[in-house]
Amino acid sequence: GDSVTQMEGPVTLSEEACLTINCTYTATGYPSLFWYVQYPGEGLQLLLKATKADDKGSNKGFEATYRKETTSFHLEKGSVQVSDSAVYFCALTKETSGSRLTFGEGTQLTVNP
Amino acid sequence: GAGVSQSPSNKVTEKGKDVELRCDPISGHTALYWYRQSLGQGLEFLIYFQGNSAPDKSGLPSDRFSAERTGGSVSTLTIQRTQQEDSAVYLCASSLNWADEQFFGPGTRLTVL
Repeated sequence: GDSVTQMEGPVTLSEEACLTINCTYTATGYPSLFWYVQYPGEGLQLLLKATKADDKGSNKGFEATYRKETTSFHLEKGSVQVSDSAVYFCALTKETSGSRLTFGEGTQLTVNP
Repeated sequence: GAGVSQSPSNKVTEKGKDVELRCDPISGHTALYWYRQSLGQGLEFLIYFQGNSAPDKSGLPSDRFSAERTGGSVSTLTIQRTQQEDSAVYLCASSLNWADEQFFGPGTRLTVL
């Protein structure tokens, strides 16, 4: 079946450091790819998405590019802030599965001042 | 406008008891999803409702789990004869249509003693 694999956490960075959280997927067909974020004490929120190969999703300084050749959707940010501390989930959906989300394990990010 | 709401926010129950978890989706959203977030299993899909179509129950882990959606709006997830492994955060999400962004509620934290 379809699956998503994220780099293991937790990840601890200093403010203004560069961030990369790796995400790879296994899926038949043409999935859409997402990054969701869960801030402490809050619900899951969509951070960015990409619906086809070579698309780049971006939001709040975060970016991820849909790479079909490497089946990857790595999350990147050039300069993290303390407020970026959260759990990040990579996920996919497919039309054939009613757009249910298949999530990766989640990566805890802590940014220290 | 109001987001997805869930009640109760926390539920503690004894093993063997039945519990009901409620989800109020965003008004006008035709698609509704239940997910479960647990330490051992991560975020996993449970069930999906789309309009008046038969629900996709393929993610329900056992026949102790059931859900209904009345009048195309409020949904109730019922767990019968709860077990300790049912302890998790149960998340509800809704979307305008099946292919649109899913908006998540804050979740219900279920603890089975």
